[in-house]
Amino acid sequence: DSGVTQTPKHLITATGQRVTLRCSPRSGDLSVYWYQQSLDQGLQFLIQYYNGEERAKGNILERFSAQQFPDLHSELNLSSLELGDSALYFCASSVAGGGGRYGYTFGSGTRLTVV
Amino acid sequence: DQQVKQNSPSLSVQEGRISILNCDYTNSMFDYFLWYKKYPAEGPTFLISISSIKDKNEDGRFTVFLNKSAKHLSLHIVPSQPGDSAVYFCAASDEGGSEKLVFGKGMKLTVNP
Repeated sequence: DSGVTQTPKHLITATGQRVTLRCSPRSGDLSVYWYQQSLDQGLQFLIQYYNGEERAKGNILERFSAQQFPDLHSELNLSSLELGDSALYFCASSVAGGGGRYGYTFGSGTRLTVV
Repeated sequence: DQQVKQNSPSLSVQEGRISILNCDYTNSMFDYFLWYKKYPAEGPTFLISISSIKDKNEDGRFTVFLNKSAKHLSLHIVPSQPGDSAVYFCAASDEGGSEKLVFGKGMKLTVNP
């Protein structure tokens, strides 16, 4: 158990629908990162939150949004889903400013299948 | 634009031999480099890192080498064990800018008994 909890582990939904992925960071970590891993692709950075505020944005589609709550858990909302959104979505957390020096701690991911 | 590249998708080695995983990068602003290991149905786990001011970092069977002039790093695993079979990701960060990690596409290592 890495200490980063992601729910649900698996999600199957239809095109056009909206889903919410949830992440609880490791105790004490203030930063939460969301990554997408599609088939044959590496981990693509989507967005980072630090202590409730958006810190950095990557290649995140406008149909996707995220937030971090006062208790530091984060949610990634995916709407108007398309077949191409099928992927593994990982959440990771880190101590403040420690992304590079100490690495992130990843959750086990949510596998989203859009049918 | 892929800033971190792992050009070989897979590697197969015999147990006890050396495994060498390579990674190239293009962004000269990167100042930390990391390797992650990923087993199926699990998230990536941090393995080892190196600062750009160093050229080598060792942790047990794992050694990472950094060649800044060539923008190249490698992970050496000696001796390789069957339990090392996994997908390995190279990652880099620019701590002075965004803290986010930029990952390569990964390489699947298979260690045969």
